[in-house]
Amino acid sequence: LAKTTQPISMDSYEGQEVNITCSHNNIATNDYITWYQQFPSQGPRFIIQGYKTKVTNEVASLFIPADRKSSTLSLPRVSLSDTAVYYCLVGAPDSNYQLIWGAGTKLIIKP
Amino acid sequence: NAGVTQTPKFQVLKTGQSMTLQCAQDMNHNSMYWYRQDPGMGLRLIYYSASEGTTDKGEVPNGYNVSRLNKREFSLRLESAAPSQTSVYFCASSGSFNEKLFFGSGTQLSVL
Repeated sequence: LAKTTQPISMDSYEGQEVNITCSHNNIATNDYITWYQQFPSQGPRFIIQGYKTKVTNEVASLFIPADRKSSTLSLPRVSLSDTAVYYCLVGAPDSNYQLIWGAGTKLIIKP
Repeated sequence: NAGVTQTPKFQVLKTGQSMTLQCAQDMNHNSMYWYRQDPGMGLRLIYYSASEGTTDKGEVPNGYNVSRLNKREFSLRLESAAPSQTSVYFCASSGSFNEKLFFGSGTQLSVL
């Protein structure tokens, strides 16, 4: 099972683009990369998932280089409400029960 | 659309007491999960249920039991609570093992 490494914390300011990088050197060929967001006193919420290159949805983009040993979650024009913990997870399809959750990255957005 | 509902939201127990955490989902999901989250840490899987009628141990099952009562409901029981079980407990569900997880809002449990 691939493990991930993320920064423990990051700060940014409203209106800025925030990039959170996750390292997963031992990623397997069939592993996907998934990001979740967790606000205080709430359960995590799915943000985005990808396998390679770039994936974009209404809230974020996920950039995955060709070697797939890292990935970057990009949050455009953040606001105070984006203050949360962000988790990077790596796992094969059909393996929710095998996902390893690290401590995540605590993102603090300042006014 | 309520999603995943957990009860209670808060609970204080004395060592040795028992209790059951309830979880229900209204999304017709097949798979359900129980996690615990300790301060400053990620989630750890306690038990999961791939589908109605099946349950399996996760990473930290000791001291817990589960029941998949029907497709909607998945309960977690602490038979004899210990201070080490003080944690926030999250229930989650997904359509299948390869679909995204939907989480409840958690139960904050303190064992004194």
